[in-house]
Amino acid sequence: AQTVTQSQPEMSVQEAETVTLSCTYDTSESDYYLFWYKQPPSRQMILVIRQEAYKQQNATENRFSVNFQKAAKSFSLKISDSQLGDAAMYFCTLPPRDNNDMRFGAGTRLTVKP
Amino acid sequence: GAGVSQSPSNKVTEKGKDVELRCDPISGHTALYWYRQSLGQGLEFLIYFQGNSAPDKSGLPSDRFSAERTGGSVSTLTIQRTQQEDSAVYLCASSPWGQTEAFFGQGTRLTVV
Repeated sequence: AQTVTQSQPEMSVQEAETVTLSCTYDTSESDYYLFWYKQPPSRQMILVIRQEAYKQQNATENRFSVNFQKAAKSFSLKISDSQLGDAAMYFCTLPPRDNNDMRFGAGTRLTVKP
Repeated sequence: GAGVSQSPSNKVTEKGKDVELRCDPISGHTALYWYRQSLGQGLEFLIYFQGNSAPDKSGLPSDRFSAERTGGSVSTLTIQRTQQEDSAVYLCASSPWGQTEAFFGQGTRLTVV
């Protein structure tokens, strides 16, 4: 079975600074996707960034980047130049294969201090 | 439609009543998921539909919960004899196929009084 673990229930960052959110996972697959989703207070889940496991290059989307370490099964999210609008719950997830459910981590609540 | 649509947005019901929550996925998406999210918590998997395959119901918390997906499109989550602990946000998501990103609806906030 696939599992996803987020060990940081809450994180805090000063506006304009950088923060890293951790995620580890376990899967027996060799090729897969990993995603980070953001859920602001509006509760709408929004895709932040995706990583394909066969790609060695870390994904980047503007101020968001990942540190993907396949051997260690680690998939952390780095937010640079944090903004007040980045305050949200962040979920790491591993899509299903063979009719398994899409597993989400427990989430990390990010607070951005002005 | 342009996105995943869930209705109603909010539902208040009396303990013991049955409720139906509806999800309209993005047209053409074969995978559909239901999750439950208690206040400030993570996503609890409920059920997963993929094409014409038998759904994965392993996450349904009790036999009071059931879901169906008609014609491979619209899905309805039914909770019978609601209890106060059923109060939560119920999120639906769909994806083109299992290995790609999921697109979420805005959820239904269920309050059982």
